[in-house]
This record gives sequence, structure tokens and C-alpha cells, in this order.
Amino acid sequence: AQSVTQPDIHITVSEGASLELRCNYSYGATPYLFWYVQSPGQGLQLLLKYFSGDTLVQGIKGFEAEFKRSQSSFNLRKPSVHWSDAAEYFCAVGAVFYNQGGKLIFGQGTELSVKP
Amino acid sequence: SQTIHQWPATLVQPVGSPLSLECTVEGTSNPNLYWYRQAAGRGLQLLFYSVGIGQISSEVPQNLSASRPQDRQFILSSKKLLLSDSGFYLCAWSRVGGQNYGYTFGSGTRLTVV
Repeated sequence: AQSVTQPDIHITVSEGASLELRCNYSYGATPYLFWYVQSPGQGLQLLLKYFSGDTLVQGIKGFEAEFKRSQSSFNLRKPSVHWSDAAEYFCAVGAVFYNQGGKLIFGQGTELSVKP
Repeated sequence: SQTIHQWPATLVQPVGSPLSLECTVEGTSNPNLYWYRQAAGRGLQLLFYSVGIGQISSEVPQNLSASRPQDRQFILSSKKLLLSDSGFYLCAWSRVGGQNYGYTFGSGTRLTVV
């Protein structure tokens, strides 16, 4: 069955510290992988996506993620966290249905708190 | 550029009342459209998706329904709301094609059933 697991429900880091949010997936084929961020009371915003090619992808707001096929992981990283990064982060995996775009399966989310 | 509009932003409705949430997309044609619900402290639950006018797929049986009367319009409805329908409702769209382009989300509707 297709699934996405974000093992950490809540993470707290100090401002300026590095961040890594974990994401593991189970998928029958080469997946499309995404990270989204959601600020309180807002919709989800796409941070970055991986389709193929270089396994280290850069996104907006200084985030990056690395696809590791052998570990079925797509972890999100940021070298130095800012207070404005406090939000909920969702990992998602999907495939493509021919000529119909694709459906995404979302993880349960990781809530990030940032200490001053 | 493409934009997605969702309204209202906030809604408080009594139990047993009807519901209509609307979502429209601009700047694209024949998008895939999705309705998600996010309950407090929980992840995203896919409720409905549509690949074309009048084509609705339901992911979770419930007292909600969806309709797509026009290409870029997606409506979420209920005849009688339950307390358990409270939550944050998100509309999203995606491009149709040979890739998975991911979703673009609206800003959401906070529904409180009292």
C-alpha cells in the first residue's frame, strides 16, 4: 500500500540551529515527492518537489531535501532556522495517471516550533 | 498566472443547517480539483476529487457531497451539518498532463458547527 510517514509529530529547535524533518514513503514505483508548509489558519504552500535527476533539491525559503531511494526517504533540511519557519510541514508522495495529472498522499505532518 | 479562490474564510453554522463552500480556479483550463478536510491536530483527509465537469470521486463516505458545475468551479455541500463536520476545509487544483505537478491550495475555510 502507498503511504507516507512523518515520524515526528512535533519538533522544537532554537533559532539559528539546523533543522531536519524526516519523511519515509512506501510506493510501488518511482515516486514524485513534495514538501509543503502550512502556517496557522492558512493553506499549504509548496516548498520543493522532486521528480527525477539530482537527488538534492533546493526549494524556497532556504529549504532543501534529499531523495534517498535506498532508504525510501525524502528528508527536509535547513541550515539555520528562523522564527518565521514555525509552521506545520507536510511530506507528500504521488504518481501520475496518464493525461489526468496526479493524486498525492500526504503524511500526518510535523509541527515545528522555534525557540528564541 | 493561475490563482485559486476559496470562500468564505470563516463560517459558523448550527447543527442541521446546510452548507455550501465554493472554490474557483483562474488562469488554467481543465484542472483536477480536490477538497480536503483538516480536523484539529490531524493531517489532511481527501474528501473528493474531480477530473472534469460533472465527474466527482468520493474518497470517504459521509454526509458531504461535491459538485463541479463548471470547468473551474468546485462546490462542497451538505444538506444537514453534523458537529463532526467542523474543521478546516481546503480546496486544491493540479495540472493535467504527463507528470505529477503537485497541488496548489486555496487559503481554506474554517468551519465551526455549533
